[in-house]
Amino acid sequence: DTAVSQTPKYLVTQMGNDKSIKCEQNLGHDTMYWYKQDSKKFLKIMFSYNNKELIINETVPNRFSPKSPDKAHLNLHINSLELGDSAVYFCASSKGGSWVNYGYTFGSGTRLTVV
Amino acid sequence: QKEVEQDPGPLSVPEGAIVSLNCTYSNSAFQYFMWYRQYSRKGPELLMYTYSSGNKEDGRFTAQVDKSSKYISLFIRDSQPSDSATYLCAMRRPARQLTFGSGTQLTVLP
Repeated sequence: DTAVSQTPKYLVTQMGNDKSIKCEQNLGHDTMYWYKQDSKKFLKIMFSYNNKELIINETVPNRFSPKSPDKAHLNLHINSLELGDSAVYFCASSKGGSWVNYGYTFGSGTRLTVV
Repeated sequence: QKEVEQDPGPLSVPEGAIVSLNCTYSNSAFQYFMWYRQYSRKGPELLMYTYSSGNKEDGRFTAQVDKSSKYISLFIRDSQPSDSATYLCAMRRPARQLTFGSGTQLTVLP
């Protein structure tokens, strides 16, 4: 299946732990993103990554670090998890840069719960 | 004030009704407008994309953009229970990522 796939789908972890979420797309897109969706369904951009150019949303704490080994993968590593990090994290991809006239294809999300 | 405002609902309508979903925005630099549909525990999927002011139709869905009023709408005709989802408007300035509204939760009752 052609898609954006994320693993794991669910992640429950304790405060202070470090965790990673993986994302892979087989659509041939060259830009990938991480979004955070809060309990009120508000989607907020965290990062976009295109041709080794990383664009960081300035409100994202530096405990969050994206890593892209190649154009098809964009992983998200989170250090020292806090209760407020609990949310659904979505990976997305698009053809061309984030500014081109294409919609984004989203993964199914990773539901992170910090206890 | 958020750049994109969307009534969160929830909105419940009977099957067959016409649904109107709306977003307003404050930044006149937004030029590209989209509607996404998100089913429960799924990722958003692109429904409609439009650039210019006016209407764009795709089956039972019509997207409307009024740049002078900074207002966009999505109309769903002959709504079905399968249309029950959260609908997110999204828009973008040139050379920038998408900015999303907060989503409207829609339930179509059989």
